[in-house]
Amino acid sequence: GAVVSQHPSWVICKSGTSVKIECRSLDFQATTMFWYRQFPKQSLMLMATSNEGSKATYEQGVEKDKFLINHASLTLSTLTVTSAHPEDSSFYICSARSDSFMNTEAFFGQGTRLTVV
Amino acid sequence: QQQVKQSPQSLIVQKGGISIINCAYENTAFDYFPWYQQFPGKGPALLIAIRPDVSEKKEGRFTISFNKSAKQFSLHIMDSQPGDSATYFCAATDSWGKLQFGAGTQVVVTP
Repeated sequence: GAVVSQHPSWVICKSGTSVKIECRSLDFQATTMFWYRQFPKQSLMLMATSNEGSKATYEQGVEKDKFLINHASLTLSTLTVTSAHPEDSSFYICSARSDSFMNTEAFFGQGTRLTVV
Repeated sequence: QQQVKQSPQSLIVQKGGISIINCAYENTAFDYFPWYQQFPGKGPALLIAIRPDVSEKKEGRFTISFNKSAKQFSLHIMDSQPGDSATYFCAATDSWGKLQFGAGTQVVVTP
């Protein structure tokens, strides 16, 4: 399958600071990237969908000013958690797909564990 | 509102046994049904997937059964091994590619 790399794998930051998470498609051009949030023992919750060169589409209840998403190229999307607070601590996962894929399958990064102290 | 309902929430099976996880959906626009395997601290990995024009798909020890009229699909893990212990998510997507996940099933395979 296609490879999606997410960085960093884990990060600890102080409350009030911002954190940037990168998601890269290594061997394909990602037409669309998705960002998810996952709490312990729960399912993945879609936060936003981004297409290269366009503004991200956020799911209901997700603050777009807090979770800034940039999809500047066909291989890179970033999620910036601004003014992070302890309640933002979670596992953030990106996935990417390409219009060239035969199926509408998406491939996932390894996730980023964010801890806000 | 969860668009894909998954059961059971957890499952314990002996080594060599069969694990069965069931999912149901309502949206007839869904046209692709993948299953993902997730280990703690890792992102989900695509395990196997099926389209609604096929009733069954088998890859190694993993089989998806699909019932289009009932809008249900299931994952069977044959000859379960301790290394299969993980959380399994069913999902569904339409042509836009936005995945709707089930709640997940934690599978524990005992030696």
